[in-house]
Amino acid sequence: SQKIEQNSEALNIQEGKTATLTCNYTNYSPAYLQWYRQDPGRGPVFLLLIRENEKEKRKERLKVTFDTTLKQSLFHITASQPADSATYLCALEPNSGYSTLTFGKGTMLLVSP
Amino acid sequence: DAGITQSPRHKVTETGTPVTLRCHQTENHRYMYWYRQDPGHGLRLIHYSYGVKDTDKGEVSDGYSVSRSKTEDFLLTLESATSSQTSVYFCAIKYEETQYFGPGTRLLVL
Repeated sequence: SQKIEQNSEALNIQEGKTATLTCNYTNYSPAYLQWYRQDPGRGPVFLLLIRENEKEKRKERLKVTFDTTLKQSLFHITASQPADSATYLCALEPNSGYSTLTFGKGTMLLVSP
Repeated sequence: DAGITQSPRHKVTETGTPVTLRCHQTENHRYMYWYRQDPGHGLRLIHYSYGVKDTDKGEVSDGYSVSRSKTEDFLLTLESATSSQTSVYFCAIKYEETQYFGPGTRLLVL
């Protein structure tokens, strides 16, 4: 069966450090992978999309890598700030061919001053 | 916020009663989705729609039905609410390859 795994334990880091979150998947052949941010009591917000033929994508302090051989994506936030504290979700489109996304359970990031 | 609203934002109901949640969008997007989010389970797809009167089931569709009689509205109905349907419900639309979410409806079934 298709699975998406994200570290269920919260990641605690100090302000200014780089946060790295992991998304592993099995039994998918994704054309692209997406990352979302979710704050408590709010809906997820789209951050970045990376395609299967892209190794890395950047947006301001965010960087995503995509290794289709390892079946893994890494999400980096450089120079992290307390405002980056949130839950981060990765999402893939199932192989069914329908326009739906399957989300990982998310990893909570806590950035302390 | 991609012009997505959900109503009601909060609801408390009793077991066995029908409940309808509404998702409204203002930008004529073709695809609309209903998810539920629960601790330990993450975000799970209930139903989705790919056009007026065109809907399909998601991962956790049992006990739910949907309707889309016009582009801008996607309704989620709990035929007979159960305590296991206590959750936060999110609606989303698809724009290009990404999804944009509404603010959510918090439903408590007593």
